[in-house]
Amino acid sequence: AQKITQTQPGMFVQEKEAVTLDCTYDTSDQSYGLFWYKQPSSGEMIFLIYQGSYDEQNATEGRYSLNFQKARKSANLVISASQLGDSAMYFCAIITGFQKLVFGTGTRLLVSP
Amino acid sequence: DAGVIQSPRHEVTEMGQEVTLRCKPISGHDYLFWYRQTMMRGLELLIYFNNNVPIDDSGMPEDRFSAKMPNASFSTLKIQPSEPRDSAVYFCASSPETGKEQYFGPGTRLTVT
Repeated sequence: AQKITQTQPGMFVQEKEAVTLDCTYDTSDQSYGLFWYKQPSSGEMIFLIYQGSYDEQNATEGRYSLNFQKARKSANLVISASQLGDSAMYFCAIITGFQKLVFGTGTRLLVSP
Repeated sequence: DAGVIQSPRHEVTEMGQEVTLRCKPISGHDYLFWYRQTMMRGLELLIYFNNNVPIDDSGMPEDRFSAKMPNASFSTLKIQPSEPRDSAVYFCASSPETGKEQYFGPGTRLTVT
């Protein structure tokens, strides 16, 4: 079975600073995908970034980058130059061949002015 | 693109009543997923379809829950009879291909009294 662990229930960062949200995963599958989603207080789930298990380079999408360390089974999200609008819950998730997206418990990020 | 559309956005019903949640996936997406989010259990996959065919319904909590996808542009999740413990946010998501990012709808917040 797949499992995602997010050990930081809450994180605080000042505007314009970078922040790293931790995610470790557990799977016995060789082929898998890792995702980060953002859930603002309005409730919608917003896809941020994807990393395939065979991708050699870390994924980047604008201010978001995924620090993929396969041997350590970690997939941390790095947000550069934080903005007030980045305040939200962030979920790490994994998918394998069975198409089941398994989510972690989330990290609440608060960006202060 | 309009994104994934869900209706209603909010539903309040009494215990024992039938509830039907609706979803229109993104055009061209072959995969459709139903999730439930609660404080206690987080985000859980209930069922998913590929090309309108249910593939895995192992996450459906019990026989009171049923889902259908009569065509590529419409799916329903029905709860009959509803119970207070069914209160949650129900998300529909769609994906263009296997193992790739899933795009979520805005969710339906269900309250059963």
